[in-house]
Amino acid sequence: DIQMTQSPSSLSASVGDRVTITCRASQTISNYLHWYQQKPGKAPNLLIYAASSLQSGVPSRFSGSGSGTDFTLTISNLQPEDFATYYCQQNYSTPRTFGQGTKVEIK
Amino acid sequence: QVQLVQSGAEVKKPGASVKVSCKASGYTFTSYDINWVRQATGRGLEWMAWMNPSSGSTACSQKFQGRVTMTRSASNSTAYMDLSSLQSEDTAVYYCARSKGPGAFDIWGQGTMVIVSS
Repeated sequence: DIQMTQSPSSLSASVGDRVTITCRASQTISNYLHWYQQKPGKAPNLLIYAASSLQSGVPSRFSGSGSGTDFTLTISNLQPEDFATYYCQQNYSTPRTFGQGTKVEIK
Repeated sequence: QVQLVQSGAEVKKPGASVKVSCKASGYTFTSYDINWVRQATGRGLEWMAWMNPSSGSTACSQKFQGRVTMTRSASNSTAYMDLSSLQSEDTAVYYCARSKGPGAFDIWGQGTMVIVSS
């Protein structure tokens, strides 16, 4: 199985900050890496697909980069509604594993 | 609009089975795969299984092999996930989610809470 490791597990940030979350795969996954946002009590919501493509309707302050084994999600100009947990996921092979999540909290 | 609507919460006893449904609307049901993902309270997302509604092909995590059965009704645009031999550790919210090939899960159901308790 491909292991997905996110860092950090949690972070505190202020409105307006730039936030970076990293995701590392245990083997190469090309660009089959996707990012999701989840708020308490809600289903996950797709933000970025194929490592760097912005899902329709998602604000442009979200961006993704990377290929192979190392990937990054960046939130520029953090907004109050961005405080949530973020997950990366690989769809390169089954099982389609998720990272453990990164909780973004208000400083 | 495109959506997946899941069945309601369930309470089951240890050793029982649960069947969760996921009804698709707003798109051609057989054109997208259906995945099942679960999340225990306070924990992360765990991918369980996948089904191609067109061919009926399935795959699941080794963790759930022998306990998960996925079926579908194309006429009702509904996918089903049956999880057997339930234990307390299976208490979680179960989500269905749509994908195409190795693509991302772009549409999610609202989740179904399954509680396993004696």
